[in-house]
Amino acid sequence: AQSVTQLDSQVPVFEEAPVELRCNYSSSVSVYLFWYVQYPNQGLQLLLKYLSGSTLVKGINGFEAEFNKSQTSFHLRKPSVHISDTAEYFCAVSPSNDYKLSFGAGTTVTVRA
Amino acid sequence: SQTIHQWPATLVQPVGSPLSLECTVEGTSNPNLYWYRQAAGRGLQLLFYSVGIGQISSEVPQNLSASRPQDRQFILSSKKLLLSDSGFYLCAWNTAGAGGRGGYTFGSGTRLTVV
Repeated sequence: AQSVTQLDSQVPVFEEAPVELRCNYSSSVSVYLFWYVQYPNQGLQLLLKYLSGSTLVKGINGFEAEFNKSQTSFHLRKPSVHISDTAEYFCAVSPSNDYKLSFGAGTTVTVRA
Repeated sequence: SQTIHQWPATLVQPVGSPLSLECTVEGTSNPNLYWYRQAAGRGLQLLFYSVGIGQISSEVPQNLSASRPQDRQFILSSKKLLLSDSGFYLCAWNTAGAGGRGGYTFGSGTRLTVV
């Protein structure tokens, strides 16, 4: 079985500052990794995903994430945030031999001017 | 292109009333379908998933049930709602046979308030 831990439940950040959201996972098999964003009262939207290859993955809206197999982490970063990045962010993992995703508890990012 | 529709967007129902939420997917066939619930501050909870017509797996025992009467239709139901059923319900799908590599595509959600 897999599990996902998002280490920060809330992250306040000032506009134009960098942000990092931390995600660690555990799994006995190789995995695919995902980050989703959820704006208020909306569904989840895929930001980026890691399947294989380069460990640095670039996504939409200027976000990127780095897969670290030895540390079983998949941290999300953005060098300069905007007010519009205020949202909840979910890390998710899927074992390569299954089709279901396991989600972390989510991190709420609040960007202030 | 594939799209997922979920309705209604918001719903206010009295305790003890029935519930029916519908989700349909277009542009694909034989998808895996999922129902999730978000309660305030509690992340995403998988309620049901389905890998085919009439095939329903329940992840959490509760007051709800799910059905898949057609390939691309997934329905979440309750005979008698409880206050604790309030939350944000999300439908999602992914491609059968692709493993987990495609991730999920989510609907826009239904905000259910039981009063």
